Amino acid sequence: KQEVTQIPAALSVPEGENLVLNCSFTDSAIYNLQWFRQDPGKGLTSLLLIQSSQREQTSGRLNASLDKSSGRSTLYIAASQPGDSATYLCAVIRSGGGADGLTFGKGTHLIIQP
Amino acid sequence: DAGVTQSPTHLIKTRGQQVTLRCSPISGHKSVSWYQQVLGQGPQFIFQYYEKEERGRGNFPDRFSARQFPNYSSELNVNALLLGDSALYLCASSGGTTNTEAFFGQGTRLTVV
Repeated sequence: KQEVTQIPAALSVPEGENLVLNCSFTDSAIYNLQWFRQDPGKGLTSLLLIQSSQREQTSGRLNASLDKSSGRSTLYIAASQPGDSATYLCAVIRSGGGADGLTFGKGTHLIIQP
Repeated sequence: DAGVTQSPTHLIKTRGQQVTLRCSPISGHKSVSWYQQVLGQGPQFIFQYYEKEERGRGNFPDRFSARQFPNYSSELNVNALLLGDSALYLCASSGGTTNTEAFFGQGTRLTVV
C-alpha cells in the first residue's frame, strides 16, 4: 500500500526566505506526482504536475523535483511572500487510468511572517 | 472557462439521514473522482468514474455510492450518516486515461449532528 509522508508538518519563516518542502513515497511505481496548495476550508489548487519520466517542473517561483528511484520529491519556493501561507500537499497516482486515485500526504502547513 | 463546481458548499445533516453531493467537471473532462478530507489529514480517495463507469473505489463502506451522468457530472450519495462522516468532500476532474492532472472543486463541508 502506497504511503506518502511530508516533512515538516509545519513551518514558519520570515518573508523573503527560500524554502524547501519534502515529500516521500513508499512505492516508486508511480505514474505522476502532483503538488497542491490548500487555503483553510477551501479546495485544492494544483501547483505542479511531474510525470514519472520527468525530473523537475517549474512555475514562477515554484520548482518541484522528482527522484522516483528514491521515492522523494521536493517543492522549492523562492522569495517567499505572506500570500504563500497555506497548506501544501503532495500526492501520487499509480496508474494512467487513475483507478486507484491520488494518495496524499498530510501536508505541510506553511506560515510566511510579514 | 469554469473550473470544477460543487454544490452545496455547506450542509448540516442529522445522524441516520442520507445526503447527495453534486459535482460538475471542467468542460471536456470525462473523469470525476471523489475524496473525503477530515480535519488535519490529506484527502482520502472514495471513487473514480470515467465515461459513466466506476473505475476505482477506495476503502469506504457500502453506505457510500456515486454515479456519473451522460454530461459527465457526478453525484456522491452517503446513506445512514454517522458523526464520523463529517468532513470536507472534494470532487476532482481530469481529462481521462492518460491525462491524470487533477483539478479540484471548492468542496462541500458536511457536518453530521
